[in-house]
This record gives sequence, C-alpha cells and structure tokens, in this order.
Amino acid sequence: GENVGLHLPTLSVQEGDNSIINCAYSNSASDYFIWYKQESGKGPQFIIDIRSNMDKRQGQRVTVLLNKTVKHLSLQIAATQPGDSAVYFCAETSDNYGQNFVFGPGTRLSVLP
Amino acid sequence: NAGVTQTPKFQVLKTGQSMTLQCAQDMNHNSMYWYRQDPGMGLRLIYYSASEGTTDKGEVPNGYNVSRLNKREFSLRLESAAPSQTSVYFCASSRKTGVYEQYFGPGTRLTVT
Repeated sequence: GENVGLHLPTLSVQEGDNSIINCAYSNSASDYFIWYKQESGKGPQFIIDIRSNMDKRQGQRVTVLLNKTVKHLSLQIAATQPGDSAVYFCAETSDNYGQNFVFGPGTRLSVLP
Repeated sequence: NAGVTQTPKFQVLKTGQSMTLQCAQDMNHNSMYWYRQDPGMGLRLIYYSASEGTTDKGEVPNGYNVSRLNKREFSLRLESAAPSQTSVYFCASSRKTGVYEQYFGPGTRLTVT
C-alpha cells in the first residue's frame, strides 16, 4: 500500500449510498488478501478475505474485487450505514512470506447523514 | 470467548523506563504477533511467534524483546523506552502463520515522554 504519511485518504459517502474503497498492493506474488475495519480506539476487525485464484468474493453487504493484472483490490460496501464509519485497510501476504502480512495505511470512511 | 486481550490499555513512560505489554488469546491459535501502528501508516510487525517455543524478529524489532510464555500468552518488553516508541501496540493471533486470518486485540496506547 502507498504510504500517505500522516494524512489518510478520506472517503465521504451519503448514508444509504454504496462505498468503494481501493487498495493498490505491492507484490505480484501475494496470493491472499484481507480487508480490515478499524474503528476509533479499537483493534482491526476482519471484514472479508480473498485468495488469488478468485477475482470476486461477497459477504454480507460487502464485496471484494481483486485485479491481479494491475495489483488492485477494492472493497464495496452496499447501503452504507453510520456504523460503517471507520478506517479500512487491506493486507496482503503469500505462503512465501511466512509470517508477514503487508498492511496498507488505510482509507477513512465518513458516512454523512 | 474473549478473543485476544491486551493489558494495559494506556501507559505513559519516561524515557529510559521499562515495561511489559501483556497479550493473551483463548482461540487455541498457534501463532501470535506484535505490531505497532503509527499515525497514517500501516501496521508494522515487531516480533512474532509461529508456535509455542519460538520467536522471530519482524520488520521493526529494535528496542523490543518478546516472550512466548505458553500457547496462550505472548508478551512484549521495552527495556529502555524511547520517545520513538510512542505508538499504539496491537497483539494478534492466527491459527498458523501464512495465509490465515489474524485476529487483533484492542491495543495499548503507549506514550514515552
């Protein structure tokens, strides 16, 4: 993920609209990806994962899309709710990395009433 | 199940003081991790323990030591705290290292003055 220093990218979305959060990952050898949600003052919480043999995976109100050609991952949240306001970040790893996940810095999602 | 628990939640240290951050998990996971999170940056791995009895350095191990006390507990020690170690520290666990979801604790906010 891109290091944006002290200022996280922010996405502001109207309540009820769909949100799309993007992540550019760094290593073409990565074969497992996770999206985490982190609310203020809390630890990261697993949302959804995807392996590199898939290009789309759906959960409850969330969809992850993987484009290996351009090393891009996106998280779509349907009918965004106030409780979705948080920082979202992606993490990538590979069996070849062993213990190492590489975490992006995140995007702050603000849901407007 | 409590998941991953961490103590303390907050700590203020003076430069040169020492302290130990405690972490425990009740999910019977083999692997445990310590990360630090600095503003606007992704999580960075300090140390990890792939299984009981083993520990290894991550990306930013300098100034830290760890102990895998048993399968449940993994502690992080700062022997001589420095202002650069001001951060939020997260403990995580996973079934194994590699392409497995990591579960995070609530974090310890440490300030070194």
